[in-house]
Amino acid sequence: QSALTQPASVSGSPGQSITISCTGTSSDVGSYNLVSWYQQHPGKAPKLMIYEGSKRPSGVSNRFSGSKSGNTASLTISGLQAEDEADYYCCSYAGSSFKVFGGGTKLTVL
Amino acid sequence: EVQLVESGGGLVQPGRSLRLSCAASGFTFDDYAMHWVRQAPGKGLEWVSGISWNSGSIGYADSVKGRFTISRDNAKNSLYLQMNSLRAEDTALYYCAKDVFFTGEDAFDIWGQGTMVTVSS
Repeated sequence: QSALTQPASVSGSPGQSITISCTGTSSDVGSYNLVSWYQQHPGKAPKLMIYEGSKRPSGVSNRFSGSKSGNTASLTISGLQAEDEADYYCCSYAGSSFKVFGGGTKLTVL
Repeated sequence: EVQLVESGGGLVQPGRSLRLSCAASGFTFDDYAMHWVRQAPGKGLEWVSGISWNSGSIGYADSVKGRFTISRDNAKNSLYLQMNSLRAEDTALYYCAKDVFFTGEDAFDIWGQGTMVTVSS
């Protein structure tokens, strides 16, 4: 039960696009279309941004998009805004009623 | 308003027990799986345990298996986490989270504000 691998940090300027990767294995990310992404601002509870790999919950900006290739899922944020600065976590179902998170990525908007 | 409110956290000595509760409102509780997710101070999120809508499917992280027990009471719209043999490394903010689906395999779309558990002598 190893955590999914995310870069510790990414950065971008306002208006740019960034992508955060989330690498798992054939037992989790690669086996299920059940990767989700969460945004967490300091001192706040996480917020669901993407579920089932690429679906956006109601109210989430279409600047956020998700994709998957093999054992790696990705979150792309286009048209970066100051309020996007936060920690981002991926999570995948891993079978047998088990889930695993990534270590988290700190996004800095320059 | 859809809401999850956790309670039961506090300071506890190593080896002791604690029971967390999560009160749900604003949605049909017994239609969805529920989970506990924790976050140690300054650290990332860690899935702890999940339970399906009818308690038929339950899962635990290896780090808590055999020590923690998740349960739910659909009549009371409540989720619980019984934590035994607590260790210093269990110190964290514990979130209650609702699953998108009833089986527990999907995402966490609603989160509580968390209840802090501190294990220290």
